[in-house]
Amino acid sequence: SQQGEEDPQALSIQEGENATMNCSYKTSINNLQWYRQNSGRGLVHLILIRSNEREKHSGRLRVTLDTSKKSSSLLITASRAADTASYFCATLFDQGGKLIFGQGTELSVKP
Amino acid sequence: DAGVTQSPTHLIKTRGQHVTLRCSPISGHKSVSWYQQVLGQGPQFIFQYYEKEERGRGNFPDRFSARQFPNYSSELNVNALLLGDSALYLCASRRGGLQETQYFGPGTRLLVL
Repeated sequence: SQQGEEDPQALSIQEGENATMNCSYKTSINNLQWYRQNSGRGLVHLILIRSNEREKHSGRLRVTLDTSKKSSSLLITASRAADTASYFCATLFDQGGKLIFGQGTELSVKP
Repeated sequence: DAGVTQSPTHLIKTRGQHVTLRCSPISGHKSVSWYQQVLGQGPQFIFQYYEKEERGRGNFPDRFSARQFPNYSSELNVNALLLGDSALYLCASRRGGLQETQYFGPGTRLLVL
C-alpha cells in the first residue's frame, strides 16, 4: 500500500507562478525525499530532508517537513514550462531500505 | 559519470512468457533496488539487493525474482507473465547506507498482451 498521499493530484499554473505540493505519510520516518518524473520516464531525485530538519532549500525548490503532522510540502518558485512533470514524495523504511511513494502530483506549467 | 542504466528500454511479451530485465548501477554503488510503476500510480518496491544479497522484498508473488552479480549489476526476472504485469520497471542504485539517496534509471516499459 502507498505510504504517502500527495495533494493536489493535479495542478495547473502559469509560468512565473509558484507551485505548492503537499505530502502526508502514515508512520515515523528517517527522511523524506521528493522526486520528479517526466512523461513516465525515470525518476529524478530533487531533494532529501531528514526527520530532524524542518526546512531545506535547493535552487528554486523549498521543502518543509512537519513530523508532528506527518506532512511535507514542496514549493517551486517562479515556475517554468520545463517544470511540467509528476512530483512524488517518498519515505524511507529502514527495513530493507525501501522507498514508499505516494500517488504523485501532476504539475502542468503553461507558458 | 554514467547514471543508472537499464535494458531493454521497451519490451512486448505475451501472457505466460518469461522476461528478464537488466540494470547497471552507478559506478561505486553497491545497492540496487527494483520498483514497479503501474500507469497513474507511484512506484512500488519489489526488491533490494546489497553486496549480492537480498535485503528487502516487497509484496510481490514468487513469480518475481532477482539477483545481483559480483559487479553489482542486477537482473529482475518475472515468470508466467500476466496482463497486470504491464508497467514501467525502475531500477535504483545507492552507494551503500540505507539513508543515502537512491538514483533511478530510465526504466524498462513492459507490455504484456
